[in-house]
Amino acid sequence: ETGVTQSPTHLIKTRGQQVTLRCSSQSGHNTVSWYQQALGQGPQFIFQYYREEENGRGNFPPRFSGLQFPNYSSELNVNALELDDSALYLCASSLDAYPYEQYFGPGTRLTVT
Amino acid sequence: GENVEQHPSTLSVQEGDSAVIKCTYSDSASNYFPWYKQELGKGPQLIIDIRSNVGEKKDQRIAVTLNKTAKHFSLHITETQPEDSAVYFCAASLGGSYIPTFGRGTSLIVHP
Repeated sequence: ETGVTQSPTHLIKTRGQQVTLRCSSQSGHNTVSWYQQALGQGPQFIFQYYREEENGRGNFPPRFSGLQFPNYSSELNVNALELDDSALYLCASSLDAYPYEQYFGPGTRLTVT
Repeated sequence: GENVEQHPSTLSVQEGDSAVIKCTYSDSASNYFPWYKQELGKGPQLIIDIRSNVGEKKDQRIAVTLNKTAKHFSLHITETQPEDSAVYFCAASLGGSYIPTFGRGTSLIVHP
């Protein structure tokens, strides 16, 4: 069984740029959720994708957007990067939408300068 | 929206001691309460969870208790080992539209 993988591991971008982060869900999982984790904080829910449709969104502006593909892998896109976007971005997959257990990937560390 | 408070922020114990981490939540409609362990440089790992129709759940050295009336839940780790050292997060979520809320984390340090 393949776990959740994320790419890239680390990324450095300049304020105003755009970034795309990628996530491959665990085998057999059809739901992917994205989280932002600032240093020393708990993960904050960005949004969830269930069978290619957005299925819930946290308190993040529209410049945070996502996609889920037919193989259930997912992308997180962030436009017009701000310094406060610097964080660890986590992807989690689950067998189905809530309330199933979520399994997290190792994260992508994004630094905005 | 839901608000989750987690205490303590840091917990230091000797190997073999027990450790208890407590969380409170604000929305009485929350019905799923997972606990995660996050080691340095890794994503959170689900270690145990409890649903609102259950008061206690155990898995070897780990147990979680839920008091719905008081809206709090706790993680209990017995016979702690150095490899238990990590940051632990609690979370609470509502049925239907899934928006989980995490606590701020507890850094557990187990001294050999």
